[in-house]
Amino acid sequence: QLQLQESGPGLVKPMETLSLTCTVSGGSISDSSYYWGWIRQPPGKGLEWLGSIYYGGSTHYTPSLRGRVTISADRSRNQFSLQLSSVTAADTALYYCARLPRWYSGGWYDKYYFDYSGQGTLVTVSS
Amino acid sequence: QSALTQPASVSGSPGQSITISCTGTTSDVGGYDSVSWYQQHPGKAPKLIIFDVSNRPSGVSNRFSGSKSGNTASLTISGLQAEDEADYYCSSYTSSSSLVFGGGTKLTVL
Repeated sequence: QLQLQESGPGLVKPMETLSLTCTVSGGSISDSSYYWGWIRQPPGKGLEWLGSIYYGGSTHYTPSLRGRVTISADRSRNQFSLQLSSVTAADTALYYCARLPRWYSGGWYDKYYFDYSGQGTLVTVSS
Repeated sequence: QSALTQPASVSGSPGQSITISCTGTTSDVGGYDSVSWYQQHPGKAPKLIIFDVSNRPSGVSNRFSGSKSGNTASLTISGLQAEDEADYYCSSYTSSSSLVFGGGTKLTVL
């Protein structure tokens, strides 16, 4: 059974860098049938896509956060991470890591939905 | 990228059917058959219930169905049950190679 678990500080000071890690068990982040992403949800609000990372290490980021967000992977630990720099109170949210499928038909194609996610971790930005 | 537009709330009685709309543009909903829907109960992670406009993952009730016309996607829940009371979010791939979500719809089962 695939499990994703987010971990990291629950409190970050304004203008510092938020760092979270997603540990994957029951599956491998090196499986080319999937790619991995981050989503967040401010308290009482809707979902926001942050970005994704692929088997080969390439990344895509949501345009509104490009320049502040970095996603990386540590295949030896079966983990991928999120860094968000220069945070403000607006970055206070529940952060989820997730798995997105890919499918093969003469080449690999991405699917644009997540079929598994972690339970989320709350990060509060406050001094 | 603006969020997709969903009604803030919908309601229905047990046994009835309800439909939640999700309106975007030709750069997202209208341009790709990559609309998905998620159900989120309070304090829980979102759960995928529809992908690629109208496909249900294994284990999801066939009371949930999805469709799309132009720039608007729709989620229909038939035979409404108390356990369906939750928040529902649509999502679409965008021309910016990103994903965009709707603002969410709170479903109340009367």
